[in-house]
Amino acid sequence: QQPVQSPQAVILREGEDAVINCSSSKALYSVHWYRQKHGEAPVFLMILLKGGEQKGHEKISASFNEKKQQSSLYLTASQLSYSGTYFCGTEEGYSNYQLIWGAGTKLIIKP
Amino acid sequence: EAGVVQSPRYKIIEKKQPVAFWCNPISGHNTLYWYRQNLGQGPELLIRYENEEAVDDSQLPKDRFSAERLKGVDSTLKIQPAELGDSAVYLCASSVRLRGQTGELFFGEGSRLTVL
Repeated sequence: QQPVQSPQAVILREGEDAVINCSSSKALYSVHWYRQKHGEAPVFLMILLKGGEQKGHEKISASFNEKKQQSSLYLTASQLSYSGTYFCGTEEGYSNYQLIWGAGTKLIIKP
Repeated sequence: EAGVVQSPRYKIIEKKQPVAFWCNPISGHNTLYWYRQNLGQGPELLIRYENEEAVDDSQLPKDRFSAERLKGVDSTLKIQPAELGDSAVYLCASSVRLRGQTGELFFGEGSRLTVL
């Protein structure tokens, strides 16, 4: 079951904050976040395992609410380099090894 | 450390022609993935290898697509014959197998296929 990402696209001014959501109708074991710039390969951001943990990478952090089957990616004080399409990938069980990708959220940062 | 290497970067062919893509994963990565990505969409898994064994090929259109991973290292994805709808970017990724979960994926730059 493909996870649903929202919003589909967002336009921000440099320095503004953004939240990208990833929701599933299935119970999740892990959520993976990647960023893909135009014409480039996706690049890993972070993995969250069930347990409600929150992770951070510089000014990008994420949470995982297993009860709601949802993960949120937080981009604080956005920089021009944050522009790109953000994808979440979800795994539905331990040792499932089947990562299912969302359709992506396009983020445009303007100076 | 060298990343995942794919070739060719671009390929333009006529429909019904064959095409092949090659991938060299990161050394030591026993899991290898082939994905297809259409414009504006997320990657779609075609096949996943654990070493030389194809452990998930349920999404691979087997009537025209084939893949192999000899000696558990390099991999080749072939399409024969190609159709217009096969135009997409074909991404190869590799990872270290973790217990119980998919690990960080390292993607190659992709092979962009255009079928005319």
